[in-house]
Amino acid sequence: AQSVTQPDIHITVSEGASLELRCNYSYGATPYLFWYVQSPGQGLQLLLKYFSGDTLVQGIKGFEAEFKRSQSSFNLRKPSVHWSDAAEYFCAVGARGDYKLSFGAGTTVTVRA
Amino acid sequence: GAGVSQSPSNKVTEKGKDVELRCDPISGHTALYWYRQSLGQGLEFLIYFQGNSAPDKSGLPSDRFSAERTGGSVSTLTIQRTQQEDSAVYLCASSFKDEQFFGPGTRLTVL
Repeated sequence: AQSVTQPDIHITVSEGASLELRCNYSYGATPYLFWYVQSPGQGLQLLLKYFSGDTLVQGIKGFEAEFKRSQSSFNLRKPSVHWSDAAEYFCAVGARGDYKLSFGAGTTVTVRA
Repeated sequence: GAGVSQSPSNKVTEKGKDVELRCDPISGHTALYWYRQSLGQGLEFLIYFQGNSAPDKSGLPSDRFSAERTGGSVSTLTIQRTQQEDSAVYLCASSFKDEQFFGPGTRLTVL
């Protein structure tokens, strides 16, 4: 069965500092990997996705993620955070033709001035 | 264009009452999903509809939960005899291919 672990429940970062959110997955085949962001009272918005090809994926809002098969990881990064990046971030894993996504428990990001 | 919409945005009910949650997917999306998001938890898959195929109900936590999708579009999630542990945010998503688009959710509080 597929599963996702987000080791950090809560991260606080200063505005302008870099951010890295960790995601480890367990999946027997080649995974499809996703990062979603959820602002308070909002639904989930897709930041980026990895299906195949280049292991460094660029997304919206200046985010990027790197797929590392050897480490079963798909960490999300942003070089310089903005106050508007304060939100909850979810990593998810699925597979082609398998509509069920497994989500991690999420990481809450707080941005301090 | 319009995204996935859900109603109501908030629902407070008393234990033992039935509730209905509605989801309007993006036009043309053939797949529709329901998830439950409990406090401090990730998203829990509940049910999946794809076109005219039989839905995948494997994630429904009990027989008090049911869902239907009429005309391949609007979906209703029904929870009968609500319990306090049903309190959560219920999210709906729709997709055409591999990307799921989420609605804002319905926050259900069972008193």
